[in-house]
Amino acid sequence: GQNIDQPTEMTATEGAIVQINCTYQTSGFNGLFWYQQHAGEAPTFLSYNVLDGLEEKGRFSSFLSRSKGYSYLLLKELQMKDSASYLCAFLNDYKLSFGAGTTVTVRA
Amino acid sequence: EAQVTQNPRYLITVTGKKLTVTCSQNMNHEYMSWYRQDPGLGLRQIYYSMNVEVTDKGDVPEGYKVSRKEKRNFPLILESPSPNQTSLYFCASSLSQGAGTEAFFGQGTRLTVV
Repeated sequence: GQNIDQPTEMTATEGAIVQINCTYQTSGFNGLFWYQQHAGEAPTFLSYNVLDGLEEKGRFSSFLSRSKGYSYLLLKELQMKDSASYLCAFLNDYKLSFGAGTTVTVRA
Repeated sequence: EAQVTQNPRYLITVTGKKLTVTCSQNMNHEYMSWYRQDPGLGLRQIYYSMNVEVTDKGDVPEGYKVSRKEKRNFPLILESPSPNQTSLYFCASSLSQGAGTEAFFGQGTRLTVV
């Protein structure tokens, strides 16, 4: 079967760093995505990892370990506008499976 | 402007009354899909299409139909809606479904079935 887990909620202070973990189990794997979704809006693409290691994109970085079925999204220098839900998703052939999302609240 | 357009944005209907939610993209994308989003469950894929006339079931296809007669359009059809289909629906498209191609999502359709 397929399963994907991430924490439900996280809170952090403006300017801080937050790490959102994601673990997954799947019979086939073609990559892992992170999406951001602000309340009431559509998800938007943040990152994609298919090989092990860290991908850095400005204030956001994403890490993948395929052998451990593990990924994380690192948000640095948090800003108020980063308050959103962060969705982890893995690709298996042509199907994309999402986790339930992690709601990050940034406090001043 | 590159976009995925869904209509309607909001819909309240009664049990059993057939409805269609339209989805159109202007990016010449091959891959399109439909998701429903429910609290605590995240986005779940209903159906996807790899190209014109090629569709396949996602994780929760029961009670839904789709068609892909043209590349740009991918309507979602509920032949006989039931209250458990009350949800937020998203259509998405991507150049293909592989090699890290990002999905572009429509603005969502909030459906209530009473």
